[in-house]
Amino acid sequence: AQTVTQSQPEMSVQEAETVTLSCTYDTSESDYYLFWYKQPPSRQMILVIRQEAYKQQNATENRFSVNFQKAAKSFSLKISDSQLGDAAMYFCAYRRGYANDYKLSFGAGTTVTVRA
Amino acid sequence: EAQVTQNPRYLITVTGKKLTVTCSQNMNHEYMSWYRQDPGLGLRQIYYSMNVEVTDKGDVPEGYKVSRKEKRNFPLILESPSPNQTSLYFCASRGLAGGPNRGGEQYFGPGTRLTVT
Repeated sequence: AQTVTQSQPEMSVQEAETVTLSCTYDTSESDYYLFWYKQPPSRQMILVIRQEAYKQQNATENRFSVNFQKAAKSFSLKISDSQLGDAAMYFCAYRRGYANDYKLSFGAGTTVTVRA
Repeated sequence: EAQVTQNPRYLITVTGKKLTVTCSQNMNHEYMSWYRQDPGLGLRQIYYSMNVEVTDKGDVPEGYKVSRKEKRNFPLILESPSPNQTSLYFCASRGLAGGPNRGGEQYFGPGTRLTVT
């Protein structure tokens, strides 16, 4: 079974500053996908960014970017120019690349607090 | 609007009283799944379904049942709820993978907060 580890239960960042959330995973697969989900107080799960393992280039979505280190099995999320609306719990998730494998394996989550 | 709906959003019940949490999606997705979220454990898959009448266990299926009689609906049934099933439950759906949709996202419902006393 795949394991996803988020070692930071909580992170705090000053508004407009940058924060990096760490995620490591364990897999023997070569084809897979990695995701970061945001869960604000509304509890809705919102996809922030996805990374395909076979792509070398790190994914970016506006102020959100990842540092994907395949050999190290590391997938960190960087939030730049943090805003109050970024305050949420963030989950790292993994999915195998098989066409009919849709199961997401999640980390325990990191709660991000943004200080005004 | 493409969405996954769950009902109820909040439920407080007593041990042993059967309950059903409904899930419905309007995107004609083949794949549907249930997860539970617990502090310090993230989300864990309970059951999933690849299509009508096709279901299988996830990582934590004990104490739960599901059925998939229609493509759009995937109810979660707790025949005899216990306090350790107090949790936040999410339903999710996805279309078939392939081509440009290979890495597509799952759509999550709004969550159901269940408390069993």
